Amino acid sequence: DSGVTQTPKHLITATGQRVTLRCSPRSGDLSVYWYQQSLDQGLQFLIQYYNGEERAKGNILERFSAQQFPDLHSELNLSSLELGDSALYFCASSPATSGGDADTQYFGPGTRLTVL
Amino acid sequence: AQTVTQSQPEMSVQEAETVTLSCTYDTSESDYYLFWYKQPPSRQMILVIRQEAYKQQNATENRFSVNFQKAAKSFSLKISDSQLGDAAMYFCAYGGWDSNYQLIWGAGTKLIIKP
Repeated sequence: DSGVTQTPKHLITATGQRVTLRCSPRSGDLSVYWYQQSLDQGLQFLIQYYNGEERAKGNILERFSAQQFPDLHSELNLSSLELGDSALYFCASSPATSGGDADTQYFGPGTRLTVL
Repeated sequence: AQTVTQSQPEMSVQEAETVTLSCTYDTSESDYYLFWYKQPPSRQMILVIRQEAYKQQNATENRFSVNFQKAAKSFSLKISDSQLGDAAMYFCAYGGWDSNYQLIWGAGTKLIIKP
C-alpha cells in the first residue's frame, strides 16, 4: 500500500458527461501528479500540483482540469467525455517538487474510467 | 529533449533464472534520478528501485539490482531468482533539472515468467 488513495475505483459513464476523480496524497506529501494510461499504453503525464498551486502541465486536454485543495487532496475533472477518454487515471504524490526523496512518486491504485 | 528508451517490448525468463531489462536515457545533466516501476496485471504502479546519479554504487533491493552506467546513459534492471509474481510491465523513468523534475517515462517492457 503506497499510502495514496483514489476514489472511485471504477467509473462508468456516457459520452458528453462530466466526472470528478479524487486523490488523497500520502501524509506529508505536497505534490500531486495526475497521469492517464490507456489500454496497453504507457503513462501520459497530465498535470502536477504543489501545495495548492499548479506546478507543471503535460498533455492535458482543455476539457480536463484539476485542482489541489488546502488539505492537499486533489480532484481531476473530466468533461464532455469521449469514448477515447476511457483509461486508467493515476494519481501519484511526492514530498516536494525536486531534490532527494522528493522525486520519488508514489502511485495510488488508479481510477478505471469507462465511457460508453 | 529528454528521452527514455526501453528497447525490449517483451522479455521472457524461466522461473528462478536471472533476467536483465535495459533502459537508456538522454540528458546533459550530471545530477538526476532514475527509477524502475513495476505494473503487474492488477495495474498498480509499484516503485521497484531508485538510483541517484551522483551515487557511484548501484542500487539494490532484495532480488532487484541495477547496473547504472552513467557515461553510457544506461540503467538496466537485473532480476535474480525470477518468480511468477515478477510477471509485469516494467517502466524505466528519468527525473532531473532539465525535465523540471517531471518523470520522463519509457514505453515499458513486458516481462513473462515461464514456470
